[in-house]
This record gives sequence, C-alpha cells and structure tokens, in this order.
Amino acid sequence: GAVVSQHPSRVICKSGTSVKIECRSLDFQATTMFWYRQFPKQSLMLMATSNEGSKATYEQGVEKDKFLINHASLTLSTLTVTSAHPEDSSFYICSAGFGGLGGQYFGPGTRLLVL
Amino acid sequence: ELKVEQNPLFLSMQEEKNYTIYCNYSTTSDRLYWYRQDPGKSLESLFVLLSNGAVKQEGRLMASLDTKARLSTLHITAAVHDLSATYFCAVDMDGTASKLTFGTGTRLQVTL
Repeated sequence: GAVVSQHPSRVICKSGTSVKIECRSLDFQATTMFWYRQFPKQSLMLMATSNEGSKATYEQGVEKDKFLINHASLTLSTLTVTSAHPEDSSFYICSAGFGGLGGQYFGPGTRLLVL
Repeated sequence: ELKVEQNPLFLSMQEEKNYTIYCNYSTTSDRLYWYRQDPGKSLESLFVLLSNGAVKQEGRLMASLDTKARLSTLHITAAVHDLSATYFCAVDMDGTASKLTFGTGTRLQVTL
C-alpha cells in the first residue's frame, strides 16, 4: 500500500524560531499533498493543499506567510512554521493523494511543541 | 460550508455489545471515508464508501452510506478492547478525494 512518511516525528523549539517538517510519499508519486493540524481531542483541520510545482492553496484563516509550504517534487512537500509561538504547538499531519478513489494516505504526524 | 457531525462524541462500550456511530453531513456527496486514530498516532484508513447504499465490512466493523439522507453509520458488533480509539468520518467535497472535510470524531472506549 501507499506509504507516507514525515520527519521529524517530534520537535521542540523555542518561541521565535522556524521549524521545517517534511512529508514524503515513499512508493508513489503524489500529485497533491495536504497539510492538517490537529489540537488535542479535536478533529483534523485542513490547513492547505499543495500541488507539485505550484503555489499552495490555503484554507481560510491560515496565514500563508506563517505556514510556508513548498512542494518541490512529486514525492516531497515541506511545511515551515515561521516564527513559531506556543499557540502553534499542535500535531501536524500530512497526507498525499494521486487522484484515485482510495482517498488520501496519511503520514504518521509531527508533534510540535513551542516553548 | 460543509459541516460533518458525528454522534456520539464519546462512547463507553461494554465488551460483546453492539453499538453504532452516526456521521451526518450537510451537503451532497457520494464519497465518504472512515478512519481510526489511536492516541498519539496518525490516521488509519478503515473504509471507503463510494456510492449510495455502499456497505463495507471488516471484522467487527461495518460501514454504510445513505447519500440521500446524507448519513453514514459505523456499526460495531460485539465490541472488544482492541477497538478503543477515536473514529473519524470524512466527506469528499468535490468527488476527487482532493478535499476531505472531517467529522468531529467519536472516541470509543471499551470497558472490560
């Protein structure tokens, strides 16, 4: 089956620093990748959709200058949280899809803690 | 705006009894997905429902979709402890699996 990896799995950083999270599709080419954020005991909220080689589409209320998304290839998308603050602490999950009926394949998630 | 609601939000289940989770959504869609999430983990795909009347079963779980009622159900037969997790339904907004809207989630806890 399709496998999506994320790195790192867990990161702790100081307030004001930037953090980059990588999302890779390991055994397929993902035309589209998605970034979600999940707060404790809540559902997943879609942050943005990225297509290889083009600008990401951000959901309403998500600051594109704060959450920089780059989809450099069909197997790699990165999310950079710039000038992170404690309220950015969350579980970030990426997913990848290739337009099939199987939906999206989810990565294992990255837990971000901003001190 | 598409809204996806699950009911109940929390379910304490006794072993060997049957339960149902409901997923209601507010706009037309004929594709719905069910996922399981264990604490601290990401999502595991359970079922893909692609048309009205679709029914899928895997072990003690069975999912169905009624697109006319905008309702999907996840039925648990003879609950066991291994089923303790949070379950999410997700609705495919545009039929291409390119944008999923997730339900509120239902946390299941099976008590011994």
